[in-house]
Amino acid sequence: GDSVTQMEGPVTLSEEAFLTINCTYTATGYPSLFWYVQYPGEGLQLLLKATKADDKGSNKGFEATYRKETTSFHLEKGSVQVSDSAVYFCALRDTGNQFYFGTGTSLTVIP
Amino acid sequence: EPEVTQTPSHQVTQMGQEVILRCVPISNHLYFYWYRQILGQKVEFLVSFYNNEISEKSEIFDDQFSVERPDGSNFTLKIRSTKLEDSAMYFCASRESGGGRAEAFFGQGTRLTVV
Repeated sequence: GDSVTQMEGPVTLSEEAFLTINCTYTATGYPSLFWYVQYPGEGLQLLLKATKADDKGSNKGFEATYRKETTSFHLEKGSVQVSDSAVYFCALRDTGNQFYFGTGTSLTVIP
Repeated sequence: EPEVTQTPSHQVTQMGQEVILRCVPISNHLYFYWYRQILGQKVEFLVSFYNNEISEKSEIFDDQFSVERPDGSNFTLKIRSTKLEDSAMYFCASRESGGGRAEAFFGQGTRLTVV
């Protein structure tokens, strides 16, 4: 079945450090891939998405490239800020209606 | 910007009581979802709803759960007889059609505490 595996957290970085959060997926079809972010006390917000192989999703300095050959969709940001502290969820949707989420990676950025 | 709204933001209920969680999806969206997140754990799928019927449901969504779209704008999740382990954040989501490309938009969640 479809599933998403995400890098375990928590991750703590200093401000301006480089961020990578790994995400790999298993799917039977050709899924769309998403990164959602959950700020403390809030709901899930879409951060970026990619709908086909080699697409790059980007938003707010974050990027992720849909790599079919490695079934990956790693999230990167070149220089994190304190305001990026949140929980990040990788997700996919395949041929059905359901979105499958990873376990979430908590990021804390310290000044 | 259109958004999914959920009420209440926090509900405390006694074990065995019925609760109804309410959601107003984005108006032109066709697919509706309920997810839950037990504190510190992953986001779990409960149910999806399309064309006035359930299209998929998970093992969690047993007979104590039901969903309804009573009036064309609201989308509700009813838990008939709450258990302690139902304590979680419940998220409603909706999406437009758009095939496999459309993302889901999530509400802010209802924190359900069963005591």
